Amino acid sequence: GENVEQHPSTLSVQEGDSAVIKCTYSDSASNYFPWYKQELGKRPQLIIDIRSNVGEKKDQRIAVTLNKTAKHFSLHITETQPEDSAVYFCAAVGGGSNYKLTFGKGTLLTVNP
Amino acid sequence: NAGVTQTPKFQVLKTGQSMTLQCAQDMNHNSMYWYRQDPGMGLRLIYYSASEGTTDKGEVPNGYNVSRLNKREFSLRLESAAPSQTSVYFCASSDPLGAGNTIYFGEGSWLTVV
Repeated sequence: GENVEQHPSTLSVQEGDSAVIKCTYSDSASNYFPWYKQELGKRPQLIIDIRSNVGEKKDQRIAVTLNKTAKHFSLHITETQPEDSAVYFCAAVGGGSNYKLTFGKGTLLTVNP
Repeated sequence: NAGVTQTPKFQVLKTGQSMTLQCAQDMNHNSMYWYRQDPGMGLRLIYYSASEGTTDKGEVPNGYNVSRLNKREFSLRLESAAPSQTSVYFCASSDPLGAGNTIYFGEGSWLTVV
């Protein structure tokens, strides 16, 4: 099955700096890569996603890049703000199934004012 | 439009007790899921239902059973709760993920087994 590794497990940045979270996946047939943000005590919520036929996608201060050859994808947050503090999860949908979303173990991002 | 609704939100069980977590979605999604979330482990798939009438095991199915009651509802049952099942449980729904559809989560159910 699919295996998703996520790094770092914790990340602390100063307000205004950029934050980068990296994930690798094992199934070369995986074709959909969403990122979720989870605030304390809340449900995970989708913040951005990318499909395997696209190399990069941006949404305001958030961007995701995908390198299919290397089987890794990254989340980039620019001009971080304290409200960006949360746990971020990457995930991948295996090419053999449209139903199994495998998550990384999460990154706790802390943005210090 | 409530999205994904799951109950109860909090529950304390004694070891060996049984309980059912209920989940319903109003987005007309074909697929529904149950995940558990433990510190440092991310979200792990317990069971999923690709469509009404079908259920399949996920990564961590032992100790659980599910029922896809109809297109809207997908329940998770713990027949004999164990302390290792202390966790936060999330129900979710979607259309086929490989087509780039989004998965939507319920608010979570905090379960403690003592």
